[in-house]
Amino acid sequence: DIQMTQSPSSLSASVGDRVTITCQASQDISNYLNWYQQKPGKAPKLLIYDASNLETGVPSRFSGSGSGTDFTFTISSLQPEDIATYYCQQYDNLHRFTFGPGTKVDIK
Amino acid sequence: QVQLVQSGAEVKKPGASVKVSCKVSGYTLTELSMHWVRQAPGKGLEWMGGFDPEDGETIYAQKFQGRVTMTEDTSTDTAYMELSSLRSEDTAVYYCAIAIVGAPYFDYWGQGTLVTVSS
Repeated sequence: DIQMTQSPSSLSASVGDRVTITCQASQDISNYLNWYQQKPGKAPKLLIYDASNLETGVPSRFSGSGSGTDFTFTISSLQPEDIATYYCQQYDNLHRFTFGPGTKVDIK
Repeated sequence: QVQLVQSGAEVKKPGASVKVSCKVSGYTLTELSMHWVRQAPGKGLEWMGGFDPEDGETIYAQKFQGRVTMTEDTSTDTAYMELSSLRSEDTAVYYCAIAIVGAPYFDYWGQGTLVTVSS
């Protein structure tokens, strides 16, 4: 099975800061990497699909990049409403999905 | 507008089974792939299984093989996830989530169903 790691596991930043989260796959997954945002008590929400494509309606301060095994998720200017846990998710050649362990983001 | 509405919270005893439903509106089940994801209290997201449109069958995460069954009623656009031989570690919020056929990501999610396993 493909394993996913994310770092950091949590971070604290100021409003307006640039925030970066990394996700690493244990095997090459091409660009089959998605990013979700989950706020407490709510279902996850798709932000980025296929590594770098912004889901419709998602603010442009969110972006993603990478391919193969190494991926990056960026919030260009952190806003108070971005407080959440962010998960990467991969889709492998056996058509299975795996989530990363998550990164909790809060305001300093 | 796409909506996924799940059944209500359940409390089950160890060894029992639970069946959670997810009704889709705005799409028909034949137009999408239904998946199930769970989240234990304070923990991360865990994919349980879902419909694979490339192979035309439902696939399950190895961890749940033999204990989970996912079915669909296309006449009512309702999907079901049944988990058997419940243990306390199965206490979690269970989500249905859909991938528009051919897309390897989950565009829409249900509101979640809390399943509590306790003696």
